[in-house]
Amino acid sequence: EVQLSEFGGGLVQPGGSLRLSCAASGFTFSSYGMSWVRQAPGKGLEWVSGFSGSGGATYYADSVRGRFTISRDNSKNTLYLQMNSLRGEDTAVYYCAKAVAAADVFGHWGQGTLVTVSS
Amino acid sequence: DIVMTQSPDSLAVSLGERATINCKSSLSVLYSSNNKNYLAWYQQKPGQPPKLLIYWASTRESGVPDRFSGSGSGTDFTLTISSLQAEDVAVYYCQQYYITPYTFGQGTKLEIK
Repeated sequence: EVQLSEFGGGLVQPGGSLRLSCAASGFTFSSYGMSWVRQAPGKGLEWVSGFSGSGGATYYADSVRGRFTISRDNSKNTLYLQMNSLRGEDTAVYYCAKAVAAADVFGHWGQGTLVTVSS
Repeated sequence: DIVMTQSPDSLAVSLGERATINCKSSLSVLYSSNNKNYLAWYQQKPGQPPKLLIYWASTRESGVPDRFSGSGSGTDFTLTISSLQAEDVAVYYCQQYYITPYTFGQGTKLEIK
């Protein structure tokens, strides 16, 4: 059974940093595309960053490019999101999501971790 | 970036009736080399992560009831629930994965009339 568990959320001041982790199990982690998707309180979904397929290419939303860095450790089956220079508008639940085999759409999601940026 | 626009923003349908949600992309998401539309639909219930329903515009994800169907091509797409059940109350999102940044529609809230 595919399981995704996010860790590392919390309260951080504007301008601060946070690193999110997503522990994956139940599938061959290195073979799948993985992404981070966020949802501000009461708002819709926003794709933040991702690895496409099993390759090493990384992609970012314009709103986070230059501030966030996605990485993965295939030996630990873990996806990361390093978030720097955080702003109030980064406040959201951050979901880790796994792509399906046939397409870069998100067939499995974690339960999410809340990041609150506030002084 | 490709802008995804859903209509309506909210919808109330009687149990057993048909529900239709529309999604329009600002650019075509049809890839000519494989004739596939890079369009997905998700369902999100309160307090839960989204659930993938449909991708390639009309391919149902494994385990999704066949009352859910997707149609459309190019820039205009539709999610149809043929006979609304109580458990279908949720917010529905379309998403393009034709090009990064991947983008979602604003969501359509579906309720029981």
